[in-house]
Amino acid sequence: EDKVVQSPLSLVVHEGDTVTLNCSYEVTNFRSLLWYKQEKKAPTFLFMLTSSGIEKKSGRLSSILDKKELSSILNITATQTGDSAIYLCAVGSSNTGKLIFGQGTTLQVKP
Amino acid sequence: GAVVSQHPSRVICKSGTSVKIECRSLDFQATTMFWYRQFPKQSLMLMATSNEGSKATYEQGVEKDKFLINHASLTLSTLTVTSAHPEDSSFYICSARGLGSSDTQYFGPGTRLTVL
Repeated sequence: EDKVVQSPLSLVVHEGDTVTLNCSYEVTNFRSLLWYKQEKKAPTFLFMLTSSGIEKKSGRLSSILDKKELSSILNITATQTGDSAIYLCAVGSSNTGKLIFGQGTTLQVKP
Repeated sequence: GAVVSQHPSRVICKSGTSVKIECRSLDFQATTMFWYRQFPKQSLMLMATSNEGSKATYEQGVEKDKFLINHASLTLSTLTVTSAHPEDSSFYICSARGLGSSDTQYFGPGTRLTVL
């Protein structure tokens, strides 16, 4: 059965800290891995990764995929309170065309 | 770009009534839309996949007669919760995927359904 596992499940840091969120997967016919940020409402898209070893970056956020290790990390540098959210990892399968979501990592950034 | 709207954002209804939720892609054509349900502190649970002009594909355990999905155009899908009961209370989120093979789904803001 396809699965996506995120770690840690929750994390509390202080402003200015750097955090690394992990996502590992076992998905038949992997096609892509996506990261989303969910605050009070629905998830907003952050990154889509398809190629191993190529870092995607947006401001203080960056992400990279390792297809050999079947995993991805999401880094957030110089965290701010506005980064507090649930971060969701999802994997797309060419078999089904659906996204399989991990449980999410709840990040709390304290002032 | 890639904006998805959902209406209503919040609905409270009595047990036994039906509730319709609309999902629209505002600035792109969505060949496929997805309906998810999310319980507090849990991840997204896919309910069904809907392709424009064809019947929706439901996930295992989701009652198709209870959760009616219609995808009448490339910009609109609706989910109707029929004869709602308190256990149907949840956060319902739709997403839309545009033309092409990208897996990226863009999510609507969600609908909080409370059944009394």
